[in-house]
Amino acid sequence: DSGVTQTPKHLITATGQRVTLRCSPRSGDLSVYWYQQSLDQGLQFLIQYYNGEERAKGNILERFSAQQFPDLHSELNLSSLELGDSALYFCASSREGQSSYEQYFGPGTRLTVT
Amino acid sequence: AQKVTQAQTEISVVEKEDVTLDCVYETRDTTYYLFWYKQPPSGELVFLIRRNSFDEQNEISGRYSWNFQKSTSSFNFTITASQVVDSAVYFCALSERYGGSQGNLIFGKGTKLSVKP
Repeated sequence: DSGVTQTPKHLITATGQRVTLRCSPRSGDLSVYWYQQSLDQGLQFLIQYYNGEERAKGNILERFSAQQFPDLHSELNLSSLELGDSALYFCASSREGQSSYEQYFGPGTRLTVT
Repeated sequence: AQKVTQAQTEISVVEKEDVTLDCVYETRDTTYYLFWYKQPPSGELVFLIRRNSFDEQNEISGRYSWNFQKSTSSFNFTITASQVVDSAVYFCALSERYGGSQGNLIFGKGTKLSVKP
């Protein structure tokens, strides 16, 4: 158990809908990362937050947004969902936001868009 | 540009065989970090090791060992006396200190290891 929690574990929704994925980092970790894992794209970085502020953006679509709250949990919002958004979404946390710190991953949320 | 290549898509071995998973990376940064993660069939990503670009010493942890060679930009992972529980997808990842990724992980495509009894 990495100490990172993600809810829900599975999510099935229809095209055009909006969903929110939630992540709680390990105790003491200030940085949260979101990654998407799909069969065709592999594991791709979406966005990073550090102590409540956006730190870096990766291949995140404009339909997607995220935030990190004062208690350091984070939410990833996916809207106007398309079939291609079906993927496993991981949250990871690290002690600080720099590259030298290992990232610990949550169990993931499997999103299926029908 | 930064990139991680895991040329072996799938490897199948019989229990007790040794197996090496290859990882080649590209970066212009002089300070970077390399990682290996394991993704068992249950789906979670498990951190295995982190190595910084200034430390080329090989590392051994039980049946696992890692060989980092800057001259060939490789960070290979060897499992000695493989076991069925080692069956998983293994990912190599790169994180740069100053480059474009700035702390985020750039993953290879992964190598699926199947260990048969």
